Amino acid sequence: DAGITQSPRHKVTETGTPVTLRCHQTENHRYMYWYRQDPGHGLRLIHYSYGVKDTDKGEVSDGYSVSRSKTEDFLLTLESATSSQTSVYFCAISVGTGGQPQHFGDGTRLSIL
Amino acid sequence: QKEVEQNSGPLSVPEGAIASLNCTYSDRGSQSFFWYRQYSGKSPELIMFIYSNGDKEDGRFTAQLNKASQYVSLLIRDSQPSDSATYLCAVSSDSWGKLQFGAGTQVVVTP
Repeated sequence: DAGITQSPRHKVTETGTPVTLRCHQTENHRYMYWYRQDPGHGLRLIHYSYGVKDTDKGEVSDGYSVSRSKTEDFLLTLESATSSQTSVYFCAISVGTGGQPQHFGDGTRLSIL
Repeated sequence: QKEVEQNSGPLSVPEGAIASLNCTYSDRGSQSFFWYRQYSGKSPELIMFIYSNGDKEDGRFTAQLNKASQYVSLLIRDSQPSDSATYLCAVSSDSWGKLQFGAGTQVVVTP
């Protein structure tokens, strides 16, 4: 168990509303990642973090922002949700350096109507 | 555009047989290779990782890497019904650990 908790686990919201997803880890890992998973696309990287206040964009970052003010928390924000952001969102941590295996949280199922 | 390709399946495997899953990748600079298992409605679970050419075995699982051919495979020996899942191939090309995933191969083990 990599000690990753995602919240909320499920959320339904309306287009245009802001949404924040939280990833919390208990083991002080430096590297954290946000992915989304959609049918036919596999998992795609949204943003990642390599330390407190150190973040960078991934493959599909448009419409998303992140923050990491504490080692244990990595937040993903949809400033103005759109229906195309309906997806399952997974947070992951790397147990060592960036090239090491990643372990995933249980995911957040987000529906935007 | 970096790409990771997998056959979508479903790959039907008789119980007790060997399941063979294949993955090709486009970035020659790829350094780290991972196989994840994902049950329906669940999160991906790491089952194997490999960094060097050759074979790596862990229990019933063997990962095979051929960087010259840009090919990584996963063998599942003595397949069990509990192995029925989608298997995701993931590749990393940098020190940040950014993963590029294939779309996954669905495996169905039939009794």
